[in-house]
Amino acid sequence: KAGVTQTPRYLIKTRGQQVTLSCSPISGHRSVSWYQQTPGQGLQFLFEYFSETQRNKGNFPGRFSGRQFSNSRSEMNVSTLELGDSALYLCASSKGGSGANVLTFGAGSRLTVL
Amino acid sequence: GNSVTQMEGPVTLSEEAFLTINCTYTATGYPSLFWYVQYPGEGLQLLLKATKADDKGSNKGFEATYRKETTSFHLEKGSVQVSDSAVYFCALSDISQGAGSYQLTFGKGTKLSVIP
Repeated sequence: KAGVTQTPRYLIKTRGQQVTLSCSPISGHRSVSWYQQTPGQGLQFLFEYFSETQRNKGNFPGRFSGRQFSNSRSEMNVSTLELGDSALYLCASSKGGSGANVLTFGAGSRLTVL
Repeated sequence: GNSVTQMEGPVTLSEEAFLTINCTYTATGYPSLFWYVQYPGEGLQLLLKATKADDKGSNKGFEATYRKETTSFHLEKGSVQVSDSAVYFCALSDISQGAGSYQLTFGKGTKLSVIP
């Protein structure tokens, strides 16, 4: 059974650019969550999607956005990149629904902003 | 709001030593508790979980008990191996009010190094 797949694994951008990260969940999983991991702030929740709808959002500026497609694949976008956006972005999927709070994480996309 | 506090590392142990990583939490509801492990260059892997008070989660020799009275979920292993070297994260999951969405709140992580 394939796990959660994130692409690209590594990318380098410059300030002011935008970036799109992709996540393919485990087959049958309908919920996709995104987390940002930095050495200073640790792991922070970005947002969660279920059946193409954003159900929950963390405390991040509007430059961070996401979406989910009908096949449950998800993308997140960061516009007008800042140096502080350099981080490991982790996607996680779960079955969704009540009681389905066990997340399976992907390997992450490491973004470096220069 | 919810929060998780875990002991700061790094922790260095000799092979076969006993491991304890302390974790305490603050939550308004009745969260589920988790330990995740992150190996270098990889994402997070679920190590064990407990969903209610007095539950004991266990996996690969690791165990942790959900203690509501002390709001703790300490991770223990009787005999660590070099392959256990990784970063360990304690986390709680609470359902977002009215949204049906689960959100994990993580501790800062504890880096464990096991030397032969």
